[in-house]
Amino acid sequence: EAQVTQNPRYLITVTGKKLTVTCSQNMNHEYMSWYRQDPGLGLRQIYYSMNVEVTDKGDVPEGYKVSRKEKRNFPLILESPSPNQTSLYFCASSFWGSYEQYFGPGTRLTVT
Amino acid sequence: ELKVEQNPLFLSMQEGKNYTIYCNYSTTSDRLYWYRQDPGKSLESLFVLLSNGAVKQEGRLMASLDTKARLSTLHITAAVHDLSATYFCAVDINDMRFGAGTRLTVKP
Repeated sequence: EAQVTQNPRYLITVTGKKLTVTCSQNMNHEYMSWYRQDPGLGLRQIYYSMNVEVTDKGDVPEGYKVSRKEKRNFPLILESPSPNQTSLYFCASSFWGSYEQYFGPGTRLTVT
Repeated sequence: ELKVEQNPLFLSMQEGKNYTIYCNYSTTSDRLYWYRQDPGKSLESLFVLLSNGAVKQEGRLMASLDTKARLSTLHITAAVHDLSATYFCAVDINDMRFGAGTRLTVKP
């Protein structure tokens, strides 16, 4: 089954404790992206990647890192999480040029 | 800076009625997307509009794009309860910018 998977789905952590949210897709998509969703703000793009080893900042990249060492994986790294990074995070992927993005199920992160 | 504005943000309508959701954006773009999100769920792609005058229809939903006016509309025809969801538009200029979403409730 074609899908985008994220892990973990739920995470409660404390300020400053490094964490990684994984994202994997099995559709051989070139383009992958991370978003955060906050009430009243819609989705805001954090980082995106057009292919392996190619990443770029989105609208709200501060406090986040990403890497794209393999085509299928695009982990989101929070080196020192803070409470303002409490949010619902979505990973998405698509073929370059198709524009139709497939979204993962979401990861709800709480930073206390 | 690119801004994407949707209105209304909340919409309650009766089954069988028609209505339109508007999406305005502030910078030239010829790529606009519509997504649907059910409560507690992920986003589902509805339409991708890639040129001025583009119109796409799926069931009771029809989306259009006017790049000169920087406006896209999502028209709902004869609404049914199953259309209750939050609808987002998004514009792609290097990075993706989403509107705040329109929460649609269709009442019997």
